[in-house]
Amino acid sequence: DIVMTQSPDSLAVSLGERATINCKSSQSVLYNSNNQNYFAWYQQKPGQPPKLIVYWASIRESGVPDRFSGSGSGTDFTLTISSLQAEDVAVYYCQQYYSTPYSFGQGTNLEIK
Amino acid sequence: QVQLQESGPGLVNPSETLSLTCTVSGGSVNSGTSYWSWIRQPPGKGLEWIGYIYYSGTTNYNPSLKSRLTMSLDTSRNQFSLRLTSVTAADTAVYYCARGEVGDSGYHPFDFWGQGTLVTVSS
Repeated sequence: DIVMTQSPDSLAVSLGERATINCKSSQSVLYNSNNQNYFAWYQQKPGQPPKLIVYWASIRESGVPDRFSGSGSGTDFTLTISSLQAEDVAVYYCQQYYSTPYSFGQGTNLEIK
Repeated sequence: QVQLQESGPGLVNPSETLSLTCTVSGGSVNSGTSYWSWIRQPPGKGLEWIGYIYYSGTTNYNPSLKSRLTMSLDTSRNQFSLRLTSVTAADTAVYYCARGEVGDSGYHPFDFWGQGTLVTVSS
C-alpha cells in the first residue's frame, strides 16, 4: 500500500502571504507509460465534503483560483497558495490514485496568522 | 453537474450491519465514463477510501475492510450502495459517496462528492 505523508500538520500564514504544503508518497505515483502523476489535492472546509482542487499533480480543477498551484513528480509534491485569502482557511489533503487502495495524507490544517 | 446524496440510518448497533445508499442525479451509474466510490472520515480525523464499483459491477475494496464489505448498483434507481457487516465503534464516521471519471488515463480522482452522512455505531 502507498502511504502519503503531509507536512506540516498545521500551518499559519498571514493574509496575502504564500502558503506551501508538502506531500510525500512512499512509492512513486508516476505512471511511466503516459508520464502522468496519479496525484491530487483536496480542500475541505468545516462541515463540507472535500473539494478537488488539483489533479495530475499540477492541473487546476475548473473554477479553482489561479493562486492555487500544484507541482512535483514521482514521490514529492507541493501545493502552493501564492497569496492567502481568508476563504482559503481549510484542511488540505493529498491523495494518490495510482493504485488501490487509494490513500490520502493525514491532512494539513491551514489557518490565518 | 453530477450530484450525489447519501441516505441511511444514523445509528447502528455494534455487531450489526451498516447499510447506506447514494442517489445520483445529473449522471448515470450505468455510464462507462464514471466510477462510484465510498470514502469515510471518523470525527476529527482524516479520509479513508472504502472502495469503488464500476457500471459493469466490478468492485475494488480496501483490503482493510474487504471481509466485511459489499457494494452494489441499482441502475433502475440510479443508486449505488454500501453494506458493512459486524460494525464496531471504529466504524463511526461521516460516510461520503463520490464519483470519479474514467478516461484514457484510467481512473481519475474524485470530482463530485455527496454532503456526507454521519453514522454512529453505539448501543
